[in-house]
Amino acid sequence: QAVLTQPASLSASPGASASLTCTLRSGINVGTYRIYWYQQKPGSPPQFLLRYKSDSDKQQGSGVPSRFSGSKDASANAGVLLISGLQSEDEADYYCMIWHSSAWVFGGGTKLTVL
Amino acid sequence: EVQLVQSGAEVKKPGESLKISCKGSGYSFTGYWIGWVRQMPGKGLEWMGIIYPGDSDTRYSPSFQGQVTISADKSISTAYLQWSSLRASDTAMYYCVRHQGYGDYIIDYWGQGTLVTVSS
Repeated sequence: QAVLTQPASLSASPGASASLTCTLRSGINVGTYRIYWYQQKPGSPPQFLLRYKSDSDKQQGSGVPSRFSGSKDASANAGVLLISGLQSEDEADYYCMIWHSSAWVFGGGTKLTVL
Repeated sequence: EVQLVQSGAEVKKPGESLKISCKGSGYSFTGYWIGWVRQMPGKGLEWMGIIYPGDSDTRYSPSFQGQVTISADKSISTAYLQWSSLRASDTAMYYCVRHQGYGDYIIDYWGQGTLVTVSS
């Protein structure tokens, strides 16, 4: 079982909100991890969006709009990237990442379609 | 302005060797860790390893240990990723990245990527 699992795809309408989840493998407690989120558009390298561990331990990427925010769903053992007020330019692949067992581990990514 | 500029695309045959580069500028190159991330065609991101150019301390992901070599030349602010014998499965885009630290820190800058194609 992968360390981080993300849904392969998600669709949402312009102006709506989208919640992208990053589920940690059973036995790895989301509460103890910082969850990093990256956005990748076709033909470009990923860009750092934000980091979230708790409301007192979070960091927004430089220039990243506040409509991108992070949270956790402890009951689902998952990190969540919430994008509100979806715009067409938000259509991209989104990757979560954690520091685990002395290595950085990425989720498989979610392709967000805005239509 | 922080920049990581990578060497150009490569086309190689199986069994050949290869060394790609990543030149850092706009910051103290010896003060930050540089990592490498692989992205196979149509796939996700995989962290390969990391080097601290200040003293060449190098760490590898278990998945890539022994498969590649990461090095750096601090005199020219350049990090390298090399293979001694390429395989078709090494075909991928490779990104160099800057880590804010070793451990639970942000990867804050990415190079533009180097596309490596291995085909007979």
